[in-house]
Amino acid sequence: GESVGLHLPTLSVQEGDNSIINCAYSNSASDYFIWYKQESGKGPQFIIDIRSNMDKRQGQRVTVLLNKTVKHLSLQIAATQPGDSAVYFCAENGGSQGNLIFGKGTKLSVKP
Amino acid sequence: NAGVMQNPRHLVRRRGQEARLRCSPMKGHSHVYWYRQLPEEGLKFMVYLQKENIIDESGMPKERFSAEFPKEGPSILRIQQVVRGDSAAYFCASSQGRGAVDGYTFGSGTRLTVV
Repeated sequence: GESVGLHLPTLSVQEGDNSIINCAYSNSASDYFIWYKQESGKGPQFIIDIRSNMDKRQGQRVTVLLNKTVKHLSLQIAATQPGDSAVYFCAENGGSQGNLIFGKGTKLSVKP
Repeated sequence: NAGVMQNPRHLVRRRGQEARLRCSPMKGHSHVYWYRQLPEEGLKFMVYLQKENIIDESGMPKERFSAEFPKEGPSILRIQQVVRGDSAAYFCASSQGRGAVDGYTFGSGTRLTVV
């Protein structure tokens, strides 16, 4: 299940289950959103992106959903694998000059 | 294609010393962004540079921090007179054009520890 502790929210799932990670973004003017995966000791790795003129985009095993009405973004991972264990961040391009605004992140833990 | 290269990977400095962090963008990329990440937090934008120009430094602390991206060589993030609160992971990203929509690639970061 999902829990919010003192630090990063953590989502714990069983291997093979689907995962849903949620994110609320801040700037209604943002028109481009990205999900990143960050493994321990590494930099953020691009997973999937979506522009504001779409509400859904699919990749390999991942789907991003965008709800502009409530400024909500979600990442769905199908058939979650141990290698998916990482911290996941959403980011929006609401900053000036092309910089990204990152959310706080969700730690995904996959149990074998 | 070597990707975005950052060095050193780990840097330990005593309080009051200077820290220099280097970032070589991907080949063909002329836009560089620096971000800072505290433990268990998201990345926070610091500065955006193009060759020989600072485009946006709205996320940089007003004192002790500076950045450059010379015509030749890597981009440098410089922190003078480091304090314990500067301990963090510093990430650099590069892109071909302005902004993330043009392909934004992150390096592996430099982990700065101030003792």
